Amino acid sequence: GIQVEQSPPDLILQEGANSTLRCNFSDSVNNLQWFHQNPWGQLINLFYIPSGTKQNGRLSATTVATERYSLLYISSSQTTDSGVYFCAVPSGAGSYQLTFGKGTKLSVIP
Amino acid sequence: SQTIHQWPATLVQPVGSPLSLECTVEGTSNPNLYWYRQAAGRGLQLLFYSVGIGQISSEVPQNLSASRPQDRQFILSSKKLLLSDSGFYLCAWSMTSSYNEQFFGPGTRLTVL
Repeated sequence: GIQVEQSPPDLILQEGANSTLRCNFSDSVNNLQWFHQNPWGQLINLFYIPSGTKQNGRLSATTVATERYSLLYISSSQTTDSGVYFCAVPSGAGSYQLTFGKGTKLSVIP
Repeated sequence: SQTIHQWPATLVQPVGSPLSLECTVEGTSNPNLYWYRQAAGRGLQLLFYSVGIGQISSEVPQNLSASRPQDRQFILSSKKLLLSDSGFYLCAWSMTSSYNEQFFGPGTRLTVL
């Protein structure tokens, strides 16, 4: 099945710093999602981005489908950005199942 | 707008007891519905999905079962819980389209003692 790798596994930032999270996947995909899991466990949709670049406030994401990776940019980080960031892609063509990466745990300290 | 509800939020159950977790979606019709489990560590594992009433597909053989008695209701059950069933259970929905963007509920944290 498709493999999804995220890096780095852990990241500690000073408040106000910028960061880039990476998601590599082993096969071509027709969609990709980024999620933020907050400390209460809620998975919050950040981006649905099969290709190209999207921006939402301080967050933006870029997916280069031909090279099988996606990047999530966080600018001017805040303590509320802390949590685990996941990317997920379909497990196969036409599959209903999403394969998740293991996540990047982000800690933003004041 | 669409919302997804799960209950209970937390649950502590003894080994061997039954389980019933409920998920309901509002604001959409005929959604695809999913049950995921997040055990120790961070990974999410798809347990079941459903594309319609009474239609259940199982991704992982285990001690659990799922049912969809109504269009926007998805239930996760067990007749006898095991210690290994402990975890964080998340329900999700998506439109019945090729995009398959999934949206998650708040989750149920289950501890089996």
